[in-house]
Amino acid sequence: IAGITQAPTSQILAAGRRMTLRCTQDMRHNAMYWYRQDLGLGLRLIHYSNTAGTTGKGEVPDGYSVSRANTDDFPLTLASAVPSQTSVYFCASSPGPAQSTGELFFGEGSRLTVL
Amino acid sequence: GQNIDQPTEMTATEGAIVQINCTYQTSGFNGLFWYQQHAGEAPTFLSYNVLDGLEEKGRFSSFLSRSKGYSYLLLKELQMKDSASYLCAVRDRRAAGNKLTFGGGTRVLVKP
Repeated sequence: IAGITQAPTSQILAAGRRMTLRCTQDMRHNAMYWYRQDLGLGLRLIHYSNTAGTTGKGEVPDGYSVSRANTDDFPLTLASAVPSQTSVYFCASSPGPAQSTGELFFGEGSRLTVL
Repeated sequence: GQNIDQPTEMTATEGAIVQINCTYQTSGFNGLFWYQQHAGEAPTFLSYNVLDGLEEKGRFSSFLSRSKGYSYLLLKELQMKDSASYLCAVRDRRAAGNKLTFGGGTRVLVKP
């Protein structure tokens, strides 16, 4: 059982480069999320998707974009990376409140360093 | 918006009990979650409270008072493997996407 898979696990990136973090889940969950985690700031929501074909902005969306072409995949793109985007990125999914408590299932994280 | 406060760090002895408090302010409370996160790993779900009272799951219990905007996570019979960060998160029905907002986390260090 894979659950939710993120790639890459770790990446060092030059400022100004474009980068896509991949996220795939095989649980047929409707909702998917991207969070970033920084020391002292906790997990902050970047973008979310309630269902395939829809996306929405979270707390810290600037500099990031997402797409949700199907149920399983939810990639996060940094169009032009900046050092302040150095962080650990977590993808998460949820079946949705109607099906459960709405708890989140997290991927293992992608550690991104922008130099 | 939401404000979620929890202590930054706590230290306890193996076999003891530790209580991690979480206070929150939200306009449309729709559930409180506790997650455990070991260093370098993903958060994993521990507990969920939506009504007032205590929810018990083995060595872990979580309490909620909606009128006080307060929750705690109680860890009993502490084990070394309980050394981790514990994240309090609140769901707001008025927030877009019914999303969770997380506190900064409490790092618990269990000593022998």
